[in-house]
Amino acid sequence: GDSVTQMEGPVTLSEEAFLTINCTYTATGYPSLFWYVQYPGEGLQLLLKATKADDKGSNKGFEATYRKETTSFHLEKGSVQVSDSAVYFCALSDGNYGQNFVFGPGTRLSVLP
Amino acid sequence: GAGVSQTPSNKVTEKGKYVELRCDPISGHTALYWYRQSLGQGPEFLIYFQGTGAADDSGLPNDRFFAVRPEGSVSTLKIQRTERGDSAVYLCASSLTSVHEQYFGPGTRLTVT
Repeated sequence: GDSVTQMEGPVTLSEEAFLTINCTYTATGYPSLFWYVQYPGEGLQLLLKATKADDKGSNKGFEATYRKETTSFHLEKGSVQVSDSAVYFCALSDGNYGQNFVFGPGTRLSVLP
Repeated sequence: GAGVSQTPSNKVTEKGKYVELRCDPISGHTALYWYRQSLGQGPEFLIYFQGTGAADDSGLPNDRFFAVRPEGSVSTLKIQRTERGDSAVYLCASSLTSVHEQYFGPGTRLTVT
């Protein structure tokens, strides 16, 4: 079945550092790809998405590009802030039955001032 | 406007008991999803409703789990004969239709002692 693999956390960075969180997937067909973020004490929120190969999703300074050839959707940000501290989940949806997501295990990011 | 709400926020029950978890979706959203998130893992899909009907219940782990959405809005996830392995955070999400963004509730933390 479909699956998502993420780099293990926690990831600890200093403010203004460059962030990469790796995500690779296994899926039949052509899934849509997503990054969700869960801030402390809050529910999951959609951060960005890409629905086809070579699409780039972006939001709040974060970017991820749908790479079909490497089955990857790595999350990047050029300069992280303390407020970016959260758990980040990579997910895919095959869209055949609504959007039943397959989530990765999550990567906890801590940004230190 | 109001987001997705879930009640209770926390539920502690004894092994073998029956529990009900409630989800109030965003008004007007036709699609509703239940997920289960165990500690240190990403959410795992359980069931998806389109309107009143369960369009996909392939994620329900066994017949102790059941969910209803009788009027196409509020949904209840029901767990019979609870087991310690059922302890997790149960997340509900809703979307305008199955192809729109899902909005997640804060979850219900279930602890089976």
